[in-house]
Amino acid sequence: EAEVAQSPRYKITEKSQAVAFWCDPISGHATLYWYRQILGQGPELLVQFQDESVVDDSQLPKDRFSAERLKGVDSTLKIQPAELGDSAMYLCASSRYSNQPQHFGDGTRLSIL
Amino acid sequence: GQQVMQIPQYQHVQEGEDFTTYCNSSTTLSNIQWYKQRPGGHPVFLIQLVKSGEVKKQKRLTFQFGEAKKNSSLHITATQTTDVGTYFCCNQAGTALIFGKGTTLSVSS
Repeated sequence: EAEVAQSPRYKITEKSQAVAFWCDPISGHATLYWYRQILGQGPELLVQFQDESVVDDSQLPKDRFSAERLKGVDSTLKIQPAELGDSAMYLCASSRYSNQPQHFGDGTRLSIL
Repeated sequence: GQQVMQIPQYQHVQEGEDFTTYCNSSTTLSNIQWYKQRPGGHPVFLIQLVKSGEVKKQKRLTFQFGEAKKNSSLHITATQTTDVGTYFCCNQAGTALIFGKGTTLSVSS
């Protein structure tokens, strides 16, 4: 299977700026996940989509984070305004259905100055 | 959902030695998934365990799910330098997958 595509690989920006990440899941995978991984810890789920619908965003800081998957295919995660504590790896994953093994992209390493 | 506890947090072995990481929960788990993340890489799915007492093998890797479905283990026989990385056990909480903190394995040749 093709990999999950993410861009950009790296992003450096100043606090208070807006930043956006893009993810293209494996073709045919209905479920898409965004995770945040802080160095030395396991990935933490931010939001989960089933097709174009959000099924879990309980851990998404909604005052500054937003996510969409308008056509049920690719997805965008946005942060506005960025804060120093947002520095982390942002991983996207997809699976054919929920509760199935997840396939991860290479992630976006975000550094906030 | 509750995060599973993994021990040890770090383990260093000599190449050829065996390695085991343990995953424990205070509540019954519906299933356990194991992932491996190489340094600088992304998590890669290894196995899913669903049945009580289940044992699965992948070459030198042996995965077990406890009889009470509250614990799991990953055992690597005769480690190689390619086994280096962080091994995560994850429990399913509803539709969400909750990662443990992981066990980071280093191997010296």
